[in-house]
Amino acid sequence: DAKTTQPPSMDCAEGRAANLPCNHSTISGNEYVYWYRQIHSQGPQYIIHGLKNNETNEMASLIITEDRKSSTLILPHATLRDTAVYYCIVSSTGTASKLTFGTGTRLQVTL
Amino acid sequence: NAGVTQTPKFQVLKTGQSMTLQCAQDMNHNSMYWYRQDPGMGLRLIYYSASEGTTDKGEVPNGYNVSRLNKREFSLRLESAAPSQTSVYFCASEPPSSYNEQFFGPGTRLTVL
Repeated sequence: DAKTTQPPSMDCAEGRAANLPCNHSTISGNEYVYWYRQIHSQGPQYIIHGLKNNETNEMASLIITEDRKSSTLILPHATLRDTAVYYCIVSSTGTASKLTFGTGTRLQVTL
Repeated sequence: NAGVTQTPKFQVLKTGQSMTLQCAQDMNHNSMYWYRQDPGMGLRLIYYSASEGTTDKGEVPNGYNVSRLNKREFSLRLESAAPSQTSVYFCASEPPSSYNEQFFGPGTRLTVL
């Protein structure tokens, strides 16, 4: 699976959009981009995934560049409860997919 | 649905002791996983099970064994605990054709003295 690079930490004011970048320059054609988050010491939570088109769900939006070498997770109106570590993961799909979690980006949402 | 449950929540062991971490899911998922997370680190895959009756090694399997008892349950055993196995252990499950959407349990915090 391709390796990802994320900034170690970011801050965001409550109510503003949080834009979390991820570089995955070695991504291959059949690999998807996934985002998970981990709030405090809880188990990680799936947020969103995409292949090459932009995706949106009730939690976030995922913007993938045309060359697929980078992506951005957007939380449109961050709240204090969005404070967490966000993991960008690249993996192919299949039975029993193996996800590789790096160290992620620690997002701190402040008043 | 309870989702993914793990027992115990906390455990302290002495070096050389053995124990089994239990994981169960009630979502009828096929695949199940065991991860460990050391302080300040991401999760690392220990073992996984694509379906009932099958298990495979992940990134860090040494010192662990697993059993996929049935579709619901996937246990992780430490035969002879070592201080290096002090960690938080997470179990996860995944439905078929889910595009890697794994559902995680609350974790077991293990300390080996």
